[in-house]
Amino acid sequence: DAGVIQSPRHEVTEMGQEVTLRCKPISGHDYLFWYRQTMMRGLELLIYFNNNVPIDDSGMPEDRFSAKMPNASFSTLKIQPSEPRDSAVYFCASSLSGAGANVLTFGAGSRLTVL
Amino acid sequence: AQTVTQSQPEMSVQEAETVTLSCTYDTSENNYYLFWYKQPPSRQMILVIRQEAYKQQNATENRFSVNFQKAAKSFSLKISDSQLGDTAMYFCAFMRYNAGNMLTFGGGTRLMVKP
Repeated sequence: DAGVIQSPRHEVTEMGQEVTLRCKPISGHDYLFWYRQTMMRGLELLIYFNNNVPIDDSGMPEDRFSAKMPNASFSTLKIQPSEPRDSAVYFCASSLSGAGANVLTFGAGSRLTVL
Repeated sequence: AQTVTQSQPEMSVQEAETVTLSCTYDTSENNYYLFWYKQPPSRQMILVIRQEAYKQQNATENRFSVNFQKAAKSFSLKISDSQLGDTAMYFCAFMRYNAGNMLTFGGGTRLMVKP
């Protein structure tokens, strides 16, 4: 398996623009997570899905952020409109439920810079 | 809510020496999982080691081992025979048992291995 695939690796955009980050989880994994990493706040959970259904989005900072998982092999995180304070590395991770599983495998991250 | 604390923002060790990274956590749960993840300069999050709270035996993975003290809520990582490739950020993380595979991360410890 190629692991968790994220795109783009780097994104530079201007304030006010829409940003879409993409994630392909490991085939067969039923959990998908979006994390954000900043120097100030560390690694924060934004939202997670189980079997394509959003379970907890309490970490989503505000209405400008939205996430979808239309099928088991694809998820997006969208920021509209983007602001400079959204600059961060965004990680997608997936895992399998069940005893002995629950190890999260992370993608390589998408570094977002909002000017 | 669970909290994870890593009290050492930065550490350094000479190549081939042993170093221990500290982690404490706060929870009212009895069953849970603990993890150490490594983030090298490539920013990829890599699982180092995993511990199940109901197991008294400390987990080991080659040169990496943990000292899990459940009563003290302490989970330190020992790296033996340090190698230059061990230079990275190390994150301690907590996962509640049977509660959605969510990870709560500590703030991280930056480890530098010196030649």
